[in-house]
Amino acid sequence: EADIYQTPRYLVIGTGKKITLECSQTMGHDKMYWYQQDPGMELHLIHYSYGVNSTEKGDLSSESTVSRIRTEHFPLTLESARPSHTSQYLCASSEASGSVNEQFFGPGTRLTVL
Amino acid sequence: SQKIEQNSEALNIQEGKTATLTCNYTNYSPAYLQWYRQDPGRGPVFLLLIRENEKEKRKERLKVTFDTTLKQSLFHITASQPADSATYLCALDPSGNTPLVFGKGTRLSVIA
Repeated sequence: EADIYQTPRYLVIGTGKKITLECSQTMGHDKMYWYQQDPGMELHLIHYSYGVNSTEKGDLSSESTVSRIRTEHFPLTLESARPSHTSQYLCASSEASGSVNEQFFGPGTRLTVL
Repeated sequence: SQKIEQNSEALNIQEGKTATLTCNYTNYSPAYLQWYRQDPGRGPVFLLLIRENEKEKRKERLKVTFDTTLKQSLFHITASQPADSATYLCALDPSGNTPLVFGKGTRLSVIA
């Protein structure tokens, strides 16, 4: 079982609310990622980080922001949620060194915006 | 453009048979390719990695092949069981230090 945690597991909110999805890992991994995935669809990378104070945007512009102040913590914030943000959000991490980039995924947060 | 394609969205097979899933990619030259399993409502779980200089990799009932000439990886599950029913994703690292790119996945159903 991977030591990567996401909270909340489920969230239902109204349009316009600001929300933060939490992701923490206890494996000491430098690399962390956020993906968005609709049911039966592919993973879309929205943000990633290769270490503290380092963040990059992924392929999908989701109008979200991330921060990486501590190695173990990589929260995702939506400043103003919209129904189009309804989706599953998956956090993952991997080691920085070596050529293998195996990713460990958290259980996900299922977000519904009304 | 660069893309990864997994042969079919869904694959149904009889219990005990061998399931074969295909992953094709274009315009990448990955050093390795990975396979993940994803159950409904959960995050993917890493299964196997195969490097470009490896033709085949095995782990219990799983076997992965990697043909860099064809730009294709095959994922086999032998003696399949209903518990093997899940979505299987292939993923590759485009340049060695960039995030993995995932295929859309193939949903496998093993029928008892």
